[in-house]
Amino acid sequence: AQSVAQPEDQVNVAEGNPLTVKCTYSVSGNPYLFWYVQYPNRGLQFLLKYITGDNLVKGSYGFEAEFNKSQTSFHLKKPSALVSDSALYFCAVRGLNQAGTALIFGKGTTLSVSS
Amino acid sequence: GAVVSQHPSRVICKSGTSVKIECRSLDFQATTMFWYRQFPKQSLMLMATSNEGSKATYEQGVEKDKFLINHASLTLSTLTVTSAHPEDSSFYICSASGLSAGSYNEQFFGPGTRLTVL
Repeated sequence: AQSVAQPEDQVNVAEGNPLTVKCTYSVSGNPYLFWYVQYPNRGLQFLLKYITGDNLVKGSYGFEAEFNKSQTSFHLKKPSALVSDSALYFCAVRGLNQAGTALIFGKGTTLSVSS
Repeated sequence: GAVVSQHPSRVICKSGTSVKIECRSLDFQATTMFWYRQFPKQSLMLMATSNEGSKATYEQGVEKDKFLINHASLTLSTLTVTSAHPEDSSFYICSASGLSAGSYNEQFFGPGTRLTVL
């Protein structure tokens, strides 16, 4: 069965410091991995995805994520956090490239950036 | 990028009434639409998957007679919560995917609908 784990309920960082939000996955076959961000009472906004190619993926708002096949991880990173980055972050996975396959989401990690 | 809208953004209804939520893809043809439910501070749980012109596929534990899904066109899917009860209060989010939006790999999410049943 496909699954995604986000081991941290909350991550706290100071503005200007680097941030990491962790994600590990379990899928059969090649993983299609995604990161989304959600602000209060809003839908999900796409940040980045890994389908194939370079293991380091760059996305929106200065975020990046590194695909690590041996560790089955896809951690989200940003070199310098902003207070406005405070939000709920979801890692998600799809197993196969077929239309109609839904995303499986992790439980989410709340990022809190203090000034 | 591809845009998905939902209407209404917020709805309050009395127990026993039915509520319809619309999900529209504004600038692409959505071959597939997904409906998710999110409880406060929790993850999104897939309720059903609908392909245009076909019956929706419901996830285990989701009552198909209570949550009616229609995907009659490539730009519109509706979720009707029938005989709503307070336990149906939640944040409902739709997403859509389609080749005309770039690829089947990516889903585009609507802004969500907050349903409160009194």
